[in-house]
Amino acid sequence: QVQLQESGPGLVKTSETLSLSCTVSGDTINNFYWSWIRQTPGRGLEWIGHIYYTGSTDYNPSLKSRVTISIDTSKTHFSLKLNSVTAADTAIYYCARDHVGPWGQGALVTVSS
Amino acid sequence: DIQMTQSPSSLSASVGDRVTITCRASQTINTYLCWYQQKIGKAPKLLIYAASSLQSGVPSRFSGSASGTDFTLTINGLQPEDFATYFCQQSYRTPYTFGQGTKLEI
Repeated sequence: QVQLQESGPGLVKTSETLSLSCTVSGDTINNFYWSWIRQTPGRGLEWIGHIYYTGSTDYNPSLKSRVTISIDTSKTHFSLKLNSVTAADTAIYYCARDHVGPWGQGALVTVSS
Repeated sequence: DIQMTQSPSSLSASVGDRVTITCRASQTINTYLCWYQQKIGKAPKLLIYAASSLQSGVPSRFSGSASGTDFTLTINGLQPEDFATYFCQQSYRTPYTFGQGTKLEI
């Protein structure tokens, strides 16, 4: 069965770039969309964007100017980059397969100076 | 953006009860609606996809239905492990959006 696992720094400095990776195991990345989602107590769940296995992307307009989602050529993981972060970007970040799941366990990222 | 209005925000129930949680979409989303269960400190777990299809491994006491832009999650015969927070999500049009959640408490 498919499993997803997020990885990356848990602490990022204000104004720098948040970088996370999602490793997909148990199945191929092909033929699905793969999303990044974040969750905070105040704003709830927020969809950041997704990528198709071909590399085509779509982003939430609220974050579009700061977000890049990419997929590696081996098609075993995909990544999130969010630049110019502020404290408002502190959240649990999840990667997920669209429509049918699953989600990763989540990665807490704290933004602090 | 498509707004997902979920109700109630919290719900008290007892083991064995039947409960329903509703999400209303601000526009048509066909049946691109998922329901998730989230327990404290855990990632959301997919229960229902395509409005009414039960995810593999999810107990049959969970069911979903749709009527126009109104979607319902029903739990028949609550079990102790069902006390959690439930979310809906539309994946009809980006940006995908979520309901605010329903906290199901004893």
